[in-house]
Amino acid sequence: EADIYQTPRYLVIGTGKKITLECSQTMGHDKMYWYQQDPGMELHLIHYSYGVNSTEKGDLSSESTVSRIRTEHFPLTLESARPSHTSQYLCASSKRDRDLEQYFGPGTRLTVT
Amino acid sequence: GEDVEQSLFLSVREGDSSVINCTYTDSSSTYLYWYKQEPGAGLQLLTYIFSNMDMKQDQRLTVLLNKKDKHLSLRIADTQTGDSAIYFCAEKSRAGTASKLTFGTGTRLQVTL
Repeated sequence: EADIYQTPRYLVIGTGKKITLECSQTMGHDKMYWYQQDPGMELHLIHYSYGVNSTEKGDLSSESTVSRIRTEHFPLTLESARPSHTSQYLCASSKRDRDLEQYFGPGTRLTVT
Repeated sequence: GEDVEQSLFLSVREGDSSVINCTYTDSSSTYLYWYKQEPGAGLQLLTYIFSNMDMKQDQRLTVLLNKKDKHLSLRIADTQTGDSAIYFCAEKSRAGTASKLTFGTGTRLQVTL
């Protein structure tokens, strides 16, 4: 079983609040990813990182930001949450040389009221 | 751009075979993947196939690739209730100088008694 963790698992928060979704992996993977999953199931890549101090935006435009100060940690931040941010957020990681075998965390289900 | 399509829903009886289909558009894809997502969980890599292969078998799972038609399928033999989940196919595609996964829309498999 993959060692990648996300907290919180569920979050209900009011509009305008700042939130940070945590993602950590203990596998020493260089590459990490954030996906947003619609209620209709589709997954969209919103951020990825190929190592410390490297972050890139994905396919789907997102108002969230990420940071990668440590290899094992890839938090995602929303400065001012809105109802349109309500979604499931999935974090994943992969090895440098096998970057397409991604290991996923359990996800954070975010609801903004 | 890349586009990966799947049918949304499949219902099978326990013990029967399930076949989940996927079509993709990027003819340069070198790897194609099948992921499984159980309720409330992240994605789990089931299997993958390299584009120069036609078929790959792993226990109850058989992956068939028709590169000419850009069609990928996952066959689950002797389907069990524990196979009930959402199944995503994914293809390798390029993001600038990097590579990334593009996921299909997901197929929800329901196994009935």
